[in-house]
Amino acid sequence: EAGVTQFPSHSVIEKGQTVTLRCDPISGHDNLYWYRRVMGKEIKFLLHFVKESKQDESGMPNNRFLAERTGGTYSTLKVQPAELEDSGVYFCASSQFSGKGQDTEAFFGQGTRLTVV
Amino acid sequence: RKEVEQDPGPFNVPEGATVAFNCTYSNSASQSFFWYRQDCRKEPKLLMSVYSSGNEDGRFTAQLNRASQYISLLIRDSKLSDSATYLCVVTPYTNAGKSTFGDGTTLTVKP
Repeated sequence: EAGVTQFPSHSVIEKGQTVTLRCDPISGHDNLYWYRRVMGKEIKFLLHFVKESKQDESGMPNNRFLAERTGGTYSTLKVQPAELEDSGVYFCASSQFSGKGQDTEAFFGQGTRLTVV
Repeated sequence: RKEVEQDPGPFNVPEGATVAFNCTYSNSASQSFFWYRQDCRKEPKLLMSVYSSGNEDGRFTAQLNRASQYISLLIRDSKLSDSATYLCVVTPYTNAGKSTFGDGTTLTVKP
C-alpha cells in the first residue's frame, strides 16, 4: 500500500514567488494534516482537514498560506508570496478514524524541503 | 514555556547501554501520547503509543504519568540502529486533532 506522498521533495524559490506543495494521503484516510519544521525549531502544526473540510487551521502563520483539499483526496498548500522565514520542511500526515475511541496512527510523508532565497 | 519539553540531548551511548528519555507536557487536557522516531532527513515514524498503564515493545518501554504530566521512553540494550531523533508527541483528542511535538532528543549509539 502506498504511503503518504509529497511533491516536490525539494523546492528552491526566490522571495516573492509562489510555491504550491502537494500531499497525497493514504487512500481512505479522512484526516489530513500539514506540519512544518523551520530551522532549529520543533515540528509545528499548521492545519487539519477532515475530508474536504478544514477542521482546525489555527497553526497557519498568516494569510500568505492557503491550503485546499478539493474532493477530500489530495491537498495542496500554497505560499504566496513566499518570504525567507517560510524556509523549512513541510510535512503532511494522514490518519483514519478508528471509530472505537482508540488512538489512530498518523502516517507522515517524507516532507518537502522549501528554501526561499 | 513550550507545550512539550524534552531532554535537550544529544545522548551518546555505547552499544548495549540503557538510555532513558523524558518529556513533560503542559496541557492537562491532552489525551493521547506518542513517541516518534525520526531518522536524518526522513519523516517521523510512530515508535509507540504511550498509555497510563505503561507499555513495552521489545527493548522499548514507555510510561505515562498523567498526574505529573510526564512521559518517558526507556531503551534497553541499545543498538547502532537505534541512532535517531526521538520525538515526544501529545495530542488533545483521542481520535484526531492536531499534535504538538517536542523538539526531539537525538540519540547516537556508538560501537
